Amino acid sequence: DIQMTQSPSSLSASVGDRVTITCRASQSISNSLNWYQQKPGKAPSLLIYAASSLQSGVPSRFSGSGSGTDFTLNISSLQPEDFATYYCQQSYTALLYTFGQGTKLEI
Amino acid sequence: QMQLVESGGGLVKPGGSLRLSCAASGFSFSDYYMTWIRQAPGKGLEWVSYISNRDNIIYYADSVKGRFTISRDNAKKSLYLQMNSLRADDTAMYYCARRVDAIHTWFDPWGQGTLVTVSS
Repeated sequence: DIQMTQSPSSLSASVGDRVTITCRASQSISNSLNWYQQKPGKAPSLLIYAASSLQSGVPSRFSGSGSGTDFTLNISSLQPEDFATYYCQQSYTALLYTFGQGTKLEI
Repeated sequence: QMQLVESGGGLVKPGGSLRLSCAASGFSFSDYYMTWIRQAPGKGLEWVSYISNRDNIIYYADSVKGRFTISRDNAKKSLYLQMNSLRADDTAMYYCARRVDAIHTWFDPWGQGTLVTVSS
């Protein structure tokens, strides 16, 4: 199984800050990496697919990069609505999709 | 507007059964693979199962294999998850999601979830 490890597990930041969340795969997954945002009490929603493609409707302050085993999610200037938990997910192996453990972004 | 609405969750005793449903609207349901993903309270996301658009391809996570059965009814635009032999560690919010396949694969949209609690 491909293991996905996010860091940090939690992060404190302020409105206006630039934030970086990393996700590492236990083996190369090319750019088969997606990012989701989950706000408290809500379902996850897609932010970034294929490592760097921004989902329609997602603000441009979100960006993704990486390939192989190392990936990053960047938020250029934090807004109050960005405080949430973020998950990476690999789609390289269709038989077992795996998620990272999540990164909780707090004020 | 694409929408997925789950139902069927509730409190069930260990060893019991439950059937979850997911009603789709706003997209051509019969063209897409569909998936179930769960989240235990305070925990991360775990993929459970997916089914192809023609229901000829089905996969399960090892944790539910042999106990859960995924199915769909394209005429009703509905996805189902029959859960048998439920255990305490099956307690979770269960989400259905559309699987988008375009060279790469991702899940979008997700339903709001339905809570399954397994407890005596």
